[in-house]
Amino acid sequence: QKEVEQNSGPLSVPEGAIASLNCTYSDRGSQSFFWYRQYSGKSPELIMFIYSNGDKEDGRFTAQLNKASQYVSLLIRDSQPSDSATYLCALNSNSGYALNFGKGTSLLVTP
Amino acid sequence: EPEVTQTPSHQVTQMGQEVILRCVPISNHLYFYWYRQILGQKVEFLVSFYNNEISEKSEIFDDQFSVERPDGSNFTLKIRSTKLEDSAMYFCASTGRGQGARRYQPQHFGDGTRLSIL
Repeated sequence: QKEVEQNSGPLSVPEGAIASLNCTYSDRGSQSFFWYRQYSGKSPELIMFIYSNGDKEDGRFTAQLNKASQYVSLLIRDSQPSDSATYLCALNSNSGYALNFGKGTSLLVTP
Repeated sequence: EPEVTQTPSHQVTQMGQEVILRCVPISNHLYFYWYRQILGQKVEFLVSFYNNEISEKSEIFDDQFSVERPDGSNFTLKIRSTKLEDSAMYFCASTGRGQGARRYQPQHFGDGTRLSIL
């Protein structure tokens, strides 16, 4: 079973702080890595994607990938209360287009 | 910005009945997907569809399920003889064509259909 592991949280950070969300995976053949944000009762919303080792920045968000250690992380700078949501790590392997999701980390940004 | 649209937003069905969930993927996308999310659980892959045929399916996608692209815009998921455990949010997603190391393009999700089986 190819696993995607995330700490369920909740991760609580004060407004303006950096939130760090982590994800580990077991499938070494994983090729593409995605972070989705999901508000309660809503659909997953794409935040970031990363294909290569290293960092990728987009606004307040930075995705970090380390394939050797099999982890991918998401940093959210200057966290806002509106960032409070569940963050889903997802990836697909070399064998297909299906996304394998983690259970998500609940983030709470307190004013 | 183009988006994936799903109808209905909420479907209530008696156990044993058939249900069809509808999706209109983003117009220039080529790959289409169905996922489900049981309340409190993770998002689970059901099936992917490309070039008018199923390209992948999970163990969940058994003979009870079928997909179809009846015309150039719609993509449907049919569940025959629904069971209580089919109650979930069903998400449709689509993606365009990638190349090489970036062939797995980000999947864009619709708002989902909440299916409630009574």
